[in-house]
Amino acid sequence: DAGVTQSPTHLIKTRGQHVTLRCSPISGHKSVSWYQQVLGQGPQFIFQYYEKEERGRGNFPDRFSARQFPNYSSELNVNALLLGDSALYLCASSLSGSQPQHFGDGTRLSIL
Amino acid sequence: GEDVEQSLFLSVREGDSSVINCTYTDSSSTYLYWYKQEPGAGLQLLTYIFSNMDMKQDQRLTVLLNKKDKHLSLRIADTQTGDSAIYFCADTASNTGNQFYFGTGTSLTVIP
Repeated sequence: DAGVTQSPTHLIKTRGQHVTLRCSPISGHKSVSWYQQVLGQGPQFIFQYYEKEERGRGNFPDRFSARQFPNYSSELNVNALLLGDSALYLCASSLSGSQPQHFGDGTRLSIL
Repeated sequence: GEDVEQSLFLSVREGDSSVINCTYTDSSSTYLYWYKQEPGAGLQLLTYIFSNMDMKQDQRLTVLLNKKDKHLSLRIADTQTGDSAIYFCADTASNTGNQFYFGTGTSLTVIP
């Protein structure tokens, strides 16, 4: 079975631009979570969605938004990019929000 | 919010046992997790333990949970060079739904 897939794998943007990251969960998983991992640190929670509804939001500015589609895939959007948004963005899926989460390989976002 | 702490580095010789430690602050976590991250990759779920268990063994991996001291450990028996990676513990804090809190990660180096 396919694991969590994320696209693109790498992305380079400039300050002020907008970016959309995509995630397809493991088949049968209805919950998707997004994390930001800055180099040398553990992942920080951004959002969790379950059955297309937002179930949790971390301490990130309103420039960050997300949504989940009827097929349970998800998008993370970041507006007005800042240099500090450079990080590995990880998507994780689980059967439900409280079950163990399985991660994709992430999208490496670099802001110039 | 929840605080999860780990030591930053551990170095062991091939064939020895490795013990990675983690402390957390939320006493109402339902599950506690161990993830492995290799360079340039996402997080791989290694194992997890339900909060009403003291120990879980899975092949070379042994997880010990001391709820009184809020201490979690991961023992890797017969450590191999392929075990070199960053190991993260994570838990879910009850007052934030299913948000995962990760430690800073322990970098394990296995010396041949």
